[in-house]
Amino acid sequence: AQTVTQSQPEMSVQEAETVTLSCTYDTSESNYYLFWYKQPPSRQMILVIRQEAYKQQNATENRFSVNFQKAAKSFSLKISDSQLGDTAMYFCAFRYGGATNKLIFGTGTLLAVQP
Amino acid sequence: GAGVSQSPSNKVTEKGKDVELRCDPISGHTALYWYRQSLGQGLEFLIYFQGNSAPDKSGLPSDRFSAERTGGSVSTLTIQRTQQEDSAVYLCASSLGLAGVNEQFFGPGTRLTVL
Repeated sequence: AQTVTQSQPEMSVQEAETVTLSCTYDTSESNYYLFWYKQPPSRQMILVIRQEAYKQQNATENRFSVNFQKAAKSFSLKISDSQLGDTAMYFCAFRYGGATNKLIFGTGTLLAVQP
Repeated sequence: GAGVSQSPSNKVTEKGKDVELRCDPISGHTALYWYRQSLGQGLEFLIYFQGNSAPDKSGLPSDRFSAERTGGSVSTLTIQRTQQEDSAVYLCASSLGLAGVNEQFFGPGTRLTVL
């Protein structure tokens, strides 16, 4: 069974600085997708960034980038130039590339951006 | 266009009562998912629909939980004889289909409190 582990329950960063959130996963599959979702206090889950396992190049979306280490089964999220609006819960998620489309989530990291 | 909507936003009920939670997916999205988020936990998959069929209902925690989808659109999650451990945020998501990356778009959730 696939599992997703986020070992940092809480993190804090100063505005404009860079922070990295960790995520590891366990799977025997070779075809899968990885995601980072953001959940602000409004509860709305928002997709931040995604990575296809077959792609070697790390995904980037503006200030957000990932460090995808397939052999190590690691998928960390780097937020550059942190902004107050980045304060939220961040969830790492795994999806098998086959017929089962469900997302498997980690327990989340609460990120606080300090002014 | 409109995103995924869920109703009610909050529901308080007494132990032993039945509740119905509603999800309106994005128009044209054929796949619909239900997740549960308990306090301090990540999201836990409950069930997903492709059209009106539920190929994977493996996450439903007990036979008190059921879900249906009609007309390939609206879905209802029903919890019978609610228990205090059912208290959680219930999130619904939809996606265009199942193939490929297939981003899941989430609704704002229903917070269920069982007294």
